[in-house]
Amino acid sequence: NAGVTQTPKFRVLKTGQSMTLLCAQDMNHEYMYWYRQDPGMGLRLIHYSVGEGTTAKGEVPDGYNVSRLKKQNFLLGLESAAPSQTSVYFCASSWGFRRSSYEQYFGPGTRLTVT
Amino acid sequence: GQQLNQSPQSMFIQEGEDVSMNCTSSSIFNTWLWYKQDPGEGPVLLIALYKAGELTSNGRLTAQFGITRKDSFLNISASIPSDVGIYFCAGQLRSGAGSYQLTFGKGTKLSVIP
Repeated sequence: NAGVTQTPKFRVLKTGQSMTLLCAQDMNHEYMYWYRQDPGMGLRLIHYSVGEGTTAKGEVPDGYNVSRLKKQNFLLGLESAAPSQTSVYFCASSWGFRRSSYEQYFGPGTRLTVT
Repeated sequence: GQQLNQSPQSMFIQEGEDVSMNCTSSSIFNTWLWYKQDPGEGPVLLIALYKAGELTSNGRLTAQFGITRKDSFLNISASIPSDVGIYFCAGQLRSGAGSYQLTFGKGTKLSVIP
């Protein structure tokens, strides 16, 4: 099993450009999450999904959109990138309610720089 | 939102020493998790705790779920250079809306001096 994978690993954008980050998991997990990690701020939840076709806002959702068309994939979109979105983005997944397990497993991260 | 206070923020220790770190909150948590993050990598789950008072080990690591359900502790015995990294605690709220979400501490950065 590959676990949680993220594409791309690195990206540099100019202000105003758009991009999509892809997360894939092969553990058949119900729940998926997108976090951003900034120095001194820890991990902050952007959006999450509790199942295919569902999404919800987390702690810092502004400027981001997500979609979960397939159970194994969770996409994070930036429509118009801003320098404040320079960060490391992590995707995670968990079994969730079905197995009463909320242990989250993380991908390797995407390092995004917006100039 | 909920906050976890993780301490210490950083620590420098000699190889072979034992390490202790903890997380506290004003909220009651249903689950406590401990993660380690190496530079340039994603967090890796070390230990999961589900019951108040529970003590769980994973090799040289031991973690405890506090009796009050508001704190947790992680100990590392006989530290080695590969223990270097950032250790995060995370708690899952006991119940209510968003109970499947985790709240993360800001991490303890561990440095081991050979």
